[in-house]
Amino acid sequence: AQKVTQAQTEISVVEKEDVTLDCVYETRDTTYYLFWYKQPPSGELVFLIRRNSFDEQNEISGRYSWNFQKSTSSFNFTITASQVVDSAVYFCALQLNDYKLSFGAGTTVTVRA
Amino acid sequence: GAVVSQHPSRVICKSGTSVKIECRSLDFQATTMFWYRQFPKQSLMLMATSNEGSKATYEQGVEKDKFLINHASLTLSTLTVTSAHPEDSSFYICSARDPRLLETQYFGPGTRLLVL
Repeated sequence: AQKVTQAQTEISVVEKEDVTLDCVYETRDTTYYLFWYKQPPSGELVFLIRRNSFDEQNEISGRYSWNFQKSTSSFNFTITASQVVDSAVYFCALQLNDYKLSFGAGTTVTVRA
Repeated sequence: GAVVSQHPSRVICKSGTSVKIECRSLDFQATTMFWYRQFPKQSLMLMATSNEGSKATYEQGVEKDKFLINHASLTLSTLTVTSAHPEDSSFYICSARDPRLLETQYFGPGTRLLVL
């Protein structure tokens, strides 16, 4: 069975600090997709990124960057120069061919001004 | 991106009543929709997969007679919580898969259910 582990429950930083969120996944499938979602206090899930298992290129989008390492089954997410608006719960998720998403426990990020 | 709506956004009901939550894909046809439940400060857990024109498939531990799912059209799936009890109070979120974009699901804004 697949599993997603986000070991960090809460992270608190001061504005402008960088913050890295860890995600480790387990699956026996060779084809899968990894996602990161942001959930602000309103509750709505905001899609951040999708990565398929055959694409290990790291990606940068503005202040966000992702490091996918298949060798360690990790898909870590870094927010550079954090801002108060980045405060939210961040979920890593794994999707197999049945399209079902398995979510990690989530990491609550608090950015203090 | 694609838009998925949910209605109502918030509902309070008395114990023993039934509550229906709608999930609509607004600008695409979704052959598959998913229903998730999220308790406070917890992760999202998949409850069931809703397939248009056929019976829903439920995850282990989810009572199909309590959580009735109907996917009567390509743009609408409904989740009915029957005889709701306080322990059913949760945040219910649906997602819809756009068959044109196979890997990505689009999430609705969620429905907060409070059973008194």
